Amino acid sequence: GNSVTQMEGPVTLSEEAFLTINCTYTATGYPSLFWYVQYPGEGLQLLLKATKADDKGSNKGFEATYRKETTSFHLEKGSVQVSDSAVYFCALIDQGAQKLVFGQGTRLTINP
Amino acid sequence: DAGITQSPRHKVTETGTPVTLRCHQTENHRYMYWYRQDPGHGLRLIHYSYGVKDTDKGEVSDGYSVSRSKTEDFLLTLESATSSQTSVYFCAISELAGAADTQYFGPGTRLTVL
Repeated sequence: GNSVTQMEGPVTLSEEAFLTINCTYTATGYPSLFWYVQYPGEGLQLLLKATKADDKGSNKGFEATYRKETTSFHLEKGSVQVSDSAVYFCALIDQGAQKLVFGQGTRLTINP
Repeated sequence: DAGITQSPRHKVTETGTPVTLRCHQTENHRYMYWYRQDPGHGLRLIHYSYGVKDTDKGEVSDGYSVSRSKTEDFLLTLESATSSQTSVYFCAISELAGAADTQYFGPGTRLTVL
């Protein structure tokens, strides 16, 4: 079945550091891929998405590229801020399916 | 932000009692979903709806039922709550099905079953 694996957290960085959160997936078809972010006490917000191979999603300085050859969708940001502290979820939805399949989430803390 | 509200936002109840959670949307989207969030599991789909009175099961549907009598409301019922149903519950909506669209999430309901 379909699955998503994220790098283990928590991740702690200093402000202005480079961020990478790894995400790999297993899917039977050609899924769409997503990154959601959950700030403390809030619901999930869509951060970015990509719907086909080699697509790059970007938003708020974050980027992720849909790599079919490595079945990966790693999240990157060049210079993180304290306000980026949150839990990040990688997710996929397969063609013809209804449900999002989520990774377990990665908690990110940025120290000033 | 998508117009999604959930009520109540927090609830504490006792084992064996019935509980109903409500999701309300103002976007007139066709598809609505209920997920639960547990540590180490991300979010998992409980039930979803593809129209008024049209619902189907997700991967963790045991112990839950749903109803959708109006486009804007999707109710999740725990007929007899158990401690294993302590979780944070999120509603989501989308205009189109599956990979053709993006799911947008509500603020969540934290449920504690004692």
